[in-house]
Amino acid sequence: GAVVSQHPSRVICKSGTSVKIECRSLDFQATTMFWYRQFPKQSLMLMATSNEGSKATYEQGVEKDKFLINHASLTLSTLTVTSAHPEDSSFYICSASPQTYEQYFGPGTRLTVT
Amino acid sequence: QKEVEQNSGPLSVPEGAIASLNCTYSDRGSQSFFWYRQYSGKSPELIMSIYSNGDKEDGRFTAQLNKASQYVSLLIRDSQPSDSATYLCAVIGQAGTALIFGKGTTLSVSS
Repeated sequence: GAVVSQHPSRVICKSGTSVKIECRSLDFQATTMFWYRQFPKQSLMLMATSNEGSKATYEQGVEKDKFLINHASLTLSTLTVTSAHPEDSSFYICSASPQTYEQYFGPGTRLTVT
Repeated sequence: QKEVEQNSGPLSVPEGAIASLNCTYSDRGSQSFFWYRQYSGKSPELIMSIYSNGDKEDGRFTAQLNKASQYVSLLIRDSQPSDSATYLCAVIGQAGTALIFGKGTTLSVSS
């Protein structure tokens, strides 16, 4: 149990375009989902906490107008990177939490902006 | 600033040995503690959670928690080359639901 999927696994886009990443909890309902970013050889950095039916809470330094998060249902959250630039190239990982505090991570999305 | 500290390693152990990974945290009110394993290029995988003082065993893994010392550890018995990965300690602080991660300890198990 506790399976989280992400789509796409890899995406290459041109600078200035937008990219949407989907995160789904497959076998449980997740009232809370989290979005992380990880640069090479660094630890995970929490970007935002997404609550179903309400606005996401962004961490300090994360631009909410650039990283749009929508959590429209108990099994789906999306992250849209708007007007992507090469410095946005990173490994984006979502996690979802069932009723317990344990968080389960999706497989990640590797974004490359050219 | 709530922090989780880990020795970055690398920690090198021979196959079959016990690997001991350590973590300290700064928020004394923290209640939930986790160990994740992350292989290179992959996302983290939850291997242990612990909420009470003492030991918790699951197969070859044992998590140990000492809230008075603000210390949590992970022991891996009979280490295998497939255990070679980065191990992330994560804590949920008193006030939140988000995980606070340490920078991770790289474990290398040689055959």
